[in-house]
Amino acid sequence: RKEVEQDPGPFNVPEGATVAFNCTYSNSASQSFFWYRQDCRKEPKLLMSVYSSGNEDGRFTAQLNRASQYISLLIRDSKLSDSATYLCVVNMGNYYGQNFVFGPGTRLSVLP
Amino acid sequence: DTEVTQTPKHLVMGMTNKKSLKCEQHMGHRAMYWYKQKAKKPPELMFVYSYEKLSINESVPSRFSPECPNSSLLNLHLHALQPEDSALYLCASSQESNSPLHFGNGTRLTVT
Repeated sequence: RKEVEQDPGPFNVPEGATVAFNCTYSNSASQSFFWYRQDCRKEPKLLMSVYSSGNEDGRFTAQLNRASQYISLLIRDSKLSDSATYLCVVNMGNYYGQNFVFGPGTRLSVLP
Repeated sequence: DTEVTQTPKHLVMGMTNKKSLKCEQHMGHRAMYWYKQKAKKPPELMFVYSYEKLSINESVPSRFSPECPNSSLLNLHLHALQPEDSALYLCASSQESNSPLHFGNGTRLTVT
């Protein structure tokens, strides 16, 4: 089993749609969780950290379920500019600055 | 805009060349990372420096040699690379174990 798994994608959705991405992780001792977006031929950029109580940033909502070792990202009212690859990242270390594990990514295309 | 600066942005080198990639951050982060990313794959960890000491080497071939001259700088020395080493090389930094990674723009390396 891979350490971090994501929906295989790609997701092709019309503008204005709501889309949800799922991510599961294998290490129950994982400490912190993040969603990054990556545009073609660019570096990954932090979209949002994921907190235990769930958190929202505008059209984006992230949820964490530690019992099920599951993270989700919901995008409402999709824009063309949301087209990117979304990477689930889990910090599986319990000591300083190590062991960020990346999921394989899910590609989203928002269509006009 | 990124607070982690990488140079050069692009590099083409022959298999007998020696070159270096450079990374700089002024956020006071104590961990710095080198990742390698091939097309349509997530970033793959190469090295981690924590407080200027090499803490993780993910079985990277010796033709890649990292160096951390001080807490703000990270270099990756390249020698006798192979064409399959062509990839996007990403530098990142982080503050604490529950803080996210901050990536530089990357160096796109082509080995001919």
